[in-house]
Order: sequence, then structure tokens, then C-alpha cells
Amino acid sequence: QVQLVESGGGVVQPGKSLRLSCAASGFSIETYGLHWVRQAPGKGLEWVTRITYDGKMRKYVDSVKGRFTVSRDNARNMMSLQMDNLRPEDTALYYCARDSFMVETLIDLWGQGALVIVS
Amino acid sequence: DIQMTQSPSSLSASIGDKVTITCRASQAMDDSLAWYQQKPGQPPKLLIFRASTLQSGVPSRFGGRGSGTEFTLIINSLQAEDVGTYYCQRYKSGLITFGQGTRLEIK
Repeated sequence: QVQLVESGGGVVQPGKSLRLSCAASGFSIETYGLHWVRQAPGKGLEWVTRITYDGKMRKYVDSVKGRFTVSRDNARNMMSLQMDNLRPEDTALYYCARDSFMVETLIDLWGQGALVIVS
Repeated sequence: DIQMTQSPSSLSASIGDKVTITCRASQAMDDSLAWYQQKPGQPPKLLIFRASTLQSGVPSRFGGRGSGTEFTLIINSLQAEDVGTYYCQRYKSGLITFGQGTRLEIK
């Protein structure tokens, strides 16, 4: 079954760090760009970051630049998001997502999300 | 950066109605425009990409059109299961911008 499963969410104090992981199954991530997208409670979707298939290029939304770092391990079929200096406004459900094979940057597969609460 | 603005923010329609949701870009863009449906407690689901291409498995009552700065999602003959929030999304060169969403309810 093709899926993405996030882990590592929880409650953390402002200024602290948290690391999210995303495990892929049913496919190899090595040819796919991967994303993190977040959704604050009751709010809309906000794209956070994308990492290319080979890990050589990363892009971030301005609000997390310098605080969040995305990485990937193709051998382990996993992606991670290191979140430092967390703020209350980072509270959200964090989705791991995959590029479409046919269309670069377009998301066609989502995980169920990991909840991060900064309080 | 290109900003995406959806209208309306919420919408109530009857079963069988034709529903139209609009997404406007802050400047002209190519057809790198997608539409997603999100139901409560679920991740988003891709409906349309390249402004008008229907994703595999999506019912044909969903359609997309537009170009430049204005794009439209059309739902022909609204069904009960279409309730949810709809988002437009610009995707381009590793960057993504979402519209703020349109909540669709059944009247």
C-alpha cells in the first residue's frame, strides 16, 4: 500500500525543538520531491518546505527560514523536519506529502499528519 | 511572490446545483494551478491539475478552467459527498502557494 506516515509530533514549549519524521511505504522516495505542509487548527493549508529527490535543493516558506531544516534519507525511505526555536504560531497538523511523478512540485499523495502544539 | 485569493470563502448549495469557485492570482501565471478537496479529519485530495486536467479517479462532474490571473473550479450537479473545503494551489519550481479555502455546505 502506497502511503506516507508521519511521527514525532507532540507538545513542546516555545523556544524548544522537535523533529518530525515521515516514513514512506509501498514506493521508493528516491525519485520524488517531498514536502511538508501544515494546517493550524481550524485554518487553511500552508506549504512549509520542499526537498528535491536528491536532497540537493530545499525551499522554505519565509516564516520558517532559519528555524526549520528538511532532510531525507533515501536508503531508509524517510524524510525529516527539524524544527528549532518553535513559536506558538507553529502549532499545526504537519502533513508529509509527495510530488506527482508526472508533474514536478504538484502534490499527489499526503500522509495523515502529525500534530505539533507549541505551548 | 504570487498570492492566491479564493472566492467565496464559504458557499451553501443544493443537491444537483452547479457550483463555481474562483481563484485569482496576484499576477499572471501559467497553468500550474491545482484544486484540492479536503473533508474534515482527512488530508487534502487532488482533484484538478494544470488548471483543467482531471486527476485519475475523480468524478467527471468536477472541472477546471481558466488562465492568466483567474481560475475556476466547477462542480456540475452537486452531490452530498462533495461537502468539504476546497483549495486552489499554485505549484511552480519547488514552491507552493495555497488559496485560503472555500467551505462548501449543502443547503
